[in-house]
Amino acid sequence: QKEVEQNSGPLSVPEGAIASLNCTYSDRGSQSFFWYRQYSGKSPELIMSIYSNGDKEDGRFTAQLNKASQYVSLLIRDSQPSDSATYLCAVNRPNTGNQFYFGTGTSLTVIP
Amino acid sequence: DTAVSQTPKYLVTQMGNDKSIKCEQNLGHDTMYWYKQDSKKFLKIMFSYNNKELIINETVPNRFSPKSPDKAHLNLHINSLELGDSAVYFCASSQDLVSLNIQYFGAGTRLSVL
Repeated sequence: QKEVEQNSGPLSVPEGAIASLNCTYSDRGSQSFFWYRQYSGKSPELIMSIYSNGDKEDGRFTAQLNKASQYVSLLIRDSQPSDSATYLCAVNRPNTGNQFYFGTGTSLTVIP
Repeated sequence: DTAVSQTPKYLVTQMGNDKSIKCEQNLGHDTMYWYKQDSKKFLKIMFSYNNKELIINETVPNRFSPKSPDKAHLNLHINSLELGDSAVYFCASSQDLVSLNIQYFGAGTRLSVL
């Protein structure tokens, strides 16, 4: 079992729709959860961080965390073509000095 | 000013050569990392240093040797390059080892071994 699993996609949504990206993780001791966006040929860029159960909103982005189900998601409202990218879920490994596990990423395409 | 900078951006070299990639961060962070991203976009930790001390040393060939002359710099030297080393290598940094801390990434070095 992989430490962090994501649906690789590709996920296609029309412009203005809600894009929903999902991530599950295996280590119950994980405390920190991050969503990074990576455009083709560029470096990962932090979109959201979440540390406690529930929802966290930032503009058009909402991260949701459910530690009991070991599940973290990212919702993008009013999707724009500029949101087209690969979204990487990252989860910290407990007691490893802030080491991250990354998922393989979900490729999102927003169709104008 | 770029927060985490890597050089070179592109590196094309022959099998068997030795090469180095340099990384510098001006964020005042204590912790730096090297990641390898393969063609399938999987990002995997290789090494991390905290205040010049090696913290994480994942299972990578010993042809890869990190060096941290000070906490703002973490370089990666690769001996006897192989075809399978072709990938994008990212440097990252975080404030320290506390697990809540965000990691910030450099622009990446695209290594092609011919």
